[in-house]
Amino acid sequence: KAGVTQTPRYLIKTRGQQVTLSCSPISGHRSVSWYQQTPGQGLQFLFEYFSETQRNKGNFPGRFSGRQFSNSRSEMNVSTLELGDSALYLCASSRGISYEQYFGPGTRLTVT
Amino acid sequence: GDSVTQMEGPVTLSEEAFLTINCTYTATGYPSLFWYVQYPGEGLQLLLKATKADDKGSNKGFEATYRKETTSFHLEKGSVQVSDSAVYFCALSLPMNRDDKIIFGKGTRLHILP
Repeated sequence: KAGVTQTPRYLIKTRGQQVTLSCSPISGHRSVSWYQQTPGQGLQFLFEYFSETQRNKGNFPGRFSGRQFSNSRSEMNVSTLELGDSALYLCASSRGISYEQYFGPGTRLTVT
Repeated sequence: GDSVTQMEGPVTLSEEAFLTINCTYTATGYPSLFWYVQYPGEGLQLLLKATKADDKGSNKGFEATYRKETTSFHLEKGSVQVSDSAVYFCALSLPMNRDDKIIFGKGTRLHILP
């Protein structure tokens, strides 16, 4: 079956702008999790959605938000971008967060 | 709180060397344990997993044994190849009704020299 897809793959934005990233999970998976990966902080959990409800949230400011649609596709939004938001944003889908995660290739966001 | 600690990298080895990447965990309850691998320019892929004490996960020549007494899940491979160069993440998951969680270690970068 098709894997997790993320769009766009690369994005360049300016400080103060906002951005929306998209994730399509594996068919049948109802859990979608988002992670931020940077060289300094490593892999950090942003949030998890299950059946359109946010079930878990990491330690990120309110500028980071997300949602999940009825078809399990998910979007995350970052408002008022800062230079420190430059990172690889990974989406993972699973049957539930405690099950094995299937990751997409990521969206590389660069904030200038 | 619950956490995963893995050895800092980078780890540099010659081809055909023996590999060990240490991983220890702290958790309440009975976690499942995972190793994920991230090749350059890609997302993470599940490498192997173990769901209970003394289970051994294995895949592509890699092995890890769930040791409850030492709270460890060390990754080993008998003979590494250049193609094993990647970042390796140890992780645990805890199903806790509505508060399921998964926790990743910081990752260990592995360089294999030909």
